Amino acid sequence: EVQLLESGGDLVQPGGTLRLSCAASGFTFSRYEMNWVRQAPGKGLEWVSYMSGSGSAIFYADSVKGRFTISRDNAKNSLYLQMDSLRAEDTAVYYCAKFGDLPYFDHWGPGTLVAVSS
Amino acid sequence: EMVMTQSPATLSVSPGERATLSCRASQSVSTKLAWYQHKPGQAPRLLMYGASTRATGTPARFSGSGSGTEFTLTISSLQSEDFAVYFCQQYYRWPSWTFGQGTKVEVK
Repeated sequence: EVQLLESGGDLVQPGGTLRLSCAASGFTFSRYEMNWVRQAPGKGLEWVSYMSGSGSAIFYADSVKGRFTISRDNAKNSLYLQMDSLRAEDTAVYYCAKFGDLPYFDHWGPGTLVAVSS
Repeated sequence: EMVMTQSPATLSVSPGERATLSCRASQSVSTKLAWYQHKPGQAPRLLMYGASTRATGTPARFSGSGSGTEFTLTISSLQSEDFAVYFCQQYYRWPSWTFGQGTKVEVK
């Protein structure tokens, strides 16, 4: 059974940093493209970042480009999101999500809450 | 940016009734559209992909249709576990995957 579990969410001040982690199990992690998706309070879902299985391809949403960095450790079956220069508008539940055979999200974690406030 | 617009925002339905949810794309996405079910505090769940293909474990009472810019998710007979928020997502535009704002299906 595929399982994804995020951690690292917290309350942080504007301008601060945070690192999210996603522990994956139940599938061959290195073979699959992974993403971070977020949902701000009262808003819809927003794709944040993508990384290919090997790590050779990376994409970011314009809203986080230059501030967030995605990475993965295939030996540890883990995905990460380094979040720098955090803003109030980054407040959201952040989900780790796996791509299926095509770029739809076939498995998700339960999410971790990031709150940016002074 | 490819904008996905869902309607209605909230749908009030009685158990056993039929629910019809709409999703419109600002440009054609062919059939590269997925639907998700999301319950509070839980991980979103993939229901449909390719506009009309049920994901593993999706009950047959869920059906999807459409192509181009207009899509529909139909729940033929609502069960108690179906009350949730439903999102559509296009995966036509790479690498800018976008979601609709969601339709909340609530008990009437």
